[in-house]
Amino acid sequence: DTAVSQTPKYLVTQMGNDKSIKCEQNLGHDTMYWYKQDSKKFLKIMFSYNNKELIINETVPNRFSPKSPDKAHLNLHINSLELGDSAVYFCASSQLAGSGANVLTFGAGSRLTVL
Amino acid sequence: KQEVTQIPAALSVPEGENLVLNCSFTDSAIYNLQWFRQDPGKGLTSLLLIQSSQREQTSGRLNASLDKSSGRSTLYIAASQPGDSATYLCAVPTSGTYKYIFGTGTRLKVLA
Repeated sequence: DTAVSQTPKYLVTQMGNDKSIKCEQNLGHDTMYWYKQDSKKFLKIMFSYNNKELIINETVPNRFSPKSPDKAHLNLHINSLELGDSAVYFCASSQLAGSGANVLTFGAGSRLTVL
Repeated sequence: KQEVTQIPAALSVPEGENLVLNCSFTDSAIYNLQWFRQDPGKGLTSLLLIQSSQREQTSGRLNASLDKSSGRSTLYIAASQPGDSATYLCAVPTSGTYKYIFGTGTRLKVLA
C-alpha cells in the first residue's frame, strides 16, 4: 500500500489549459503539503493544510488553488497553465507538525510539462 | 529568513569510501532537521530526523549530526556502496512554522 499517492504521475498539456493533480495519504497524518521542484531540482513549498485548514500559502500565482476535502486528501488545481509551470510537483504529509518528531513523507511526484 | 546550503553540490567516490555531506542553515531556532534521499525520477525518502535536543542520529551506515549553535549538520555515510548513489537533501523548518526549507542537495555517485 502506497503511503502518499499522487495522480497522475505524468501530465503533458498545452499552455492555457486547466489541470488538476490529486494526492491521497493513508497514514492518518493531519498535515499535507504541496512542493514544487523546478528544473534545477530546487524544492520549494507552495501550500500546507492541517486538518483541512490552510496554514501555509506561499507567494504562488493565484492560478494555483489547493483544495482539501478531508485530511487524507489534498488536490492542486492549476488554471491557465504557463510554460513556467513545468516542474515536478510533490505531495507530502506529516504527523505532529510543529513538533521535533515531525517526519515528512513524500509521494512519488507528478511531472507536469506545459507545451 | 531561513536559508539552507549544501556542499559539495556533487561528489563522486569509489566504492568503500567513507564520506561526509554538509548542510548549513542561517536560522538556528529550529525544532528539527531532516535528511532525505532522492533517486532520479523518484520522490524523497526520509533518512534521518534529528530533533533540536539531539546531537546525532544513526541508521545503519548513516550517521547525522546537528550543531544548532553553528548552524550545521553533517551526514556521514560509512563504507559507501553503488546503491547509495542519489541526491541527498537536508531540510529545516523556518522558525516557528511548519515550513520546511530544503537545501539544493548533494548529488552523490559511488563508483563500483
